[in-house]
Amino acid sequence: NAGVTQTPKFRVLKTGQSMTLLCAQDMNHEYMYWYRQDPGMGLRLIHYSVGEGTTAKGEVPDGYNVSRLKKQNFLLGLESAAPSQTSVYFCASSYTAGGQPYEQYFGPGTRLTVT
Amino acid sequence: QKEVEQDPGPLSVPEGAIVSLNCTYSNSAFQYFMWYRQYSRKGPELLMYTYSSGNKEDGRFTAQVDKSSKYISLFIRDSQPSDSATYLCAPPREQAGTALIFGKGTTLSVSS
Repeated sequence: NAGVTQTPKFRVLKTGQSMTLLCAQDMNHEYMYWYRQDPGMGLRLIHYSVGEGTTAKGEVPDGYNVSRLKKQNFLLGLESAAPSQTSVYFCASSYTAGGQPYEQYFGPGTRLTVT
Repeated sequence: QKEVEQDPGPLSVPEGAIVSLNCTYSNSAFQYFMWYRQYSRKGPELLMYTYSSGNKEDGRFTAQVDKSSKYISLFIRDSQPSDSATYLCAPPREQAGTALIFGKGTTLSVSS
């Protein structure tokens, strides 16, 4: 199993450009998440999905959109990149059973720089 | 008050030392606590979890929860250079499935 993979690993954008980050998991997990990690800020939830075709906002959703057309994929889009979106982006997936949360599996991250 | 708080460190110890990493939390509804370890330039990975109060031991690692004081701890015995990483505590977020609220993490450096 590859687990959680993220594409691309690195990217440099200019202000105003758009891009899509791809997350894929092969563990048949229902839940998927996008986080950003900034120095001194910790990991913050951007958007999440509890199943194919569903998405919801996290704590820092502004400037991002997401889609979950297939269960194994979760896409994060930046329509008009801003320097404040320079960050490391992590995707994660998890399953839950009987109301009990189980561990989240994280991808390796995407380092995005917006100039 | 933030929901989860950690001292960011950095914390530097010699090999073999006992390390204590701590978190405080504010939401008394949290029941399930996880510790994640994150190596430099890698994604976090689950180290261990504990439910409710008490201790849980796994090899050199012990997780402890004190619900009365809303304090959770991770102890590392006989610390090794390979333990050098950032340690994140995380109870589950109730409004977003199993999404986690992370503390900012404590960076640990173990020197040989």
